[in-house]
Amino acid sequence: ETGVTQTPRHLVMGMTNKKSLKCEQHLGHNAMYWYKQSAKKPLELMFVYSLEERVENNSVPSRFSPECPNSSHLFLHLHTLQPEDSALYLCASSQERLLSGNTIYFGEGSWLTVV
Amino acid sequence: SQQGEEDPQALSIQEGENATMNCSYKTSINNLQWYRQNSGRGLVHLILIRSNEREKHSGRLRVTLDTSKKSSSLLITASRAADTASYFCATGLSYNTDKLIFGTGTRLQVFP
Repeated sequence: ETGVTQTPRHLVMGMTNKKSLKCEQHLGHNAMYWYKQSAKKPLELMFVYSLEERVENNSVPSRFSPECPNSSHLFLHLHTLQPEDSALYLCASSQERLLSGNTIYFGEGSWLTVV
Repeated sequence: SQQGEEDPQALSIQEGENATMNCSYKTSINNLQWYRQNSGRGLVHLILIRSNEREKHSGRLRVTLDTSKKSSSLLITASRAADTASYFCATGLSYNTDKLIFGTGTRLQVFP
């Protein structure tokens, strides 16, 4: 138990569906992240939120839409995805933005399959 | 090419043996971290070494950092079957404090 909870753990969706991934952290952290992990590729940082403000967006397609209503919750809204978007989506949090010495706490991930 | 690259990509050893994984990176860093990931699960932080440190220990883990060679190594001593997992290095860039860049990982298999 890392203190970062992701739901659902598994999601299968069609290319025309709209779904959302949810992340909740119980660590009192101020920064939250979405990462994408595809087979044989490095973890890709998608979004960074600090104190509910988006501070980083690594050129992610608009079919991925993040939402951070408060410092404990983070959503990733999905619509009109492509099969190549199938991956493990990892939420993470850290005490502050990644200043020297901060570590990241990851959730267990949400396995997404787009059919 | 990537900021962090682990070597080897896969490693198989017997219980009781030591496992050494290497990580090379390209740009200046504030710190380097190692994470572990069991199959299909989230990543778990193992150890952090700052750019002004050369070696760090945590239990059976030993991490070294050579900033002149831009490389780090993770040594797991007296390995156990439960150490079977993927191990990732992640670099905290000195010019962008919001990014932690991960490598592709080393998959370690420890046979009983």
